[in-house]
Amino acid sequence: KAGVTQTPRYLIKTRGQQVTLSCSPISGHRSVSWYQQTPGQGLQFLFEYFSETQRNKGNFPGRFSGRQFSNSRSEMNVSTLELGDSALYLCASSLDLSLDTEAFFGQGTRLTVV
Amino acid sequence: GENVEQHPSTLSVQEGDSAVIKCTYSDSASNYFPWYKQELGKRPQLIIDIRSNVGEKKDQRIAVTLNKTAKHFSLHITETQPEDSAVYFCAATIYNQGGKLIFGQGTELSVKP
Repeated sequence: KAGVTQTPRYLIKTRGQQVTLSCSPISGHRSVSWYQQTPGQGLQFLFEYFSETQRNKGNFPGRFSGRQFSNSRSEMNVSTLELGDSALYLCASSLDLSLDTEAFFGQGTRLTVV
Repeated sequence: GENVEQHPSTLSVQEGDSAVIKCTYSDSASNYFPWYKQELGKRPQLIIDIRSNVGEKKDQRIAVTLNKTAKHFSLHITETQPEDSAVYFCAATIYNQGGKLIFGQGTELSVKP
C-alpha cells in the first residue's frame, strides 16, 4: 500500500510569491490534515479536510488556504509569501477524522522563502 | 485555550536507562492522546496511543500513562537504545470548533551508548 505522498519535496520561493503544495493520501483515507513544522515550534496545525470540506482551521492568517478533491488529494496554498513562512510542511492522512484515528504523515515539503 | 505543553525539550540518557516525557493539555474533553517519533530527516510515525477510558498502555519497552483528572499524560521508555534517539511529540484532541489534533513542542531524546 503506497504511503502519503507530498510534492514537491523542496521549494525555493521569493517573498511575495505564492506557492501550492500537494498531498496524496493513502488510498481509502478520507481525512487530510496539514501541519507547519519549524525548529522549536513543533507541529502547528493548519487545517483538516474531510470529504472535500474543511473541518477545522488553526491560527494561521488567511494567506494559508487549502482544498480537497473528490479523490481525497489535497492542496495547500500560501499567498504573498513571507520569510517566516519558511518551514517543513507536513500533511497527514487518516482513515477517518484525525480526532481519534492514527494519522500517517508524508515526508513533507521543505519551503524556503528568500 | 488550545494547548499541549511538553517537557523536557531535550533529554539525554545513557543506554539502558529509562526516559520519561511529560505532557499536559488544556481541554478536559480531550480523549485521544497519541505519541509520535520523528527520526532525523524522516516523517513522524505513531509509536503508541491511549484513549481516555484507559489509564495505562504498554507496548514492549514503551508505555504511556494518562491522568485525566490532572490533565497530563506521559511516555515512558525503558532500557533505552541508541536507535531510540529521535524527537518525540505528544498530541491531544482539542474539541474546540469541531475538534483537531494538537501537538506538543517536541522532546529531542539522545541516548548515549
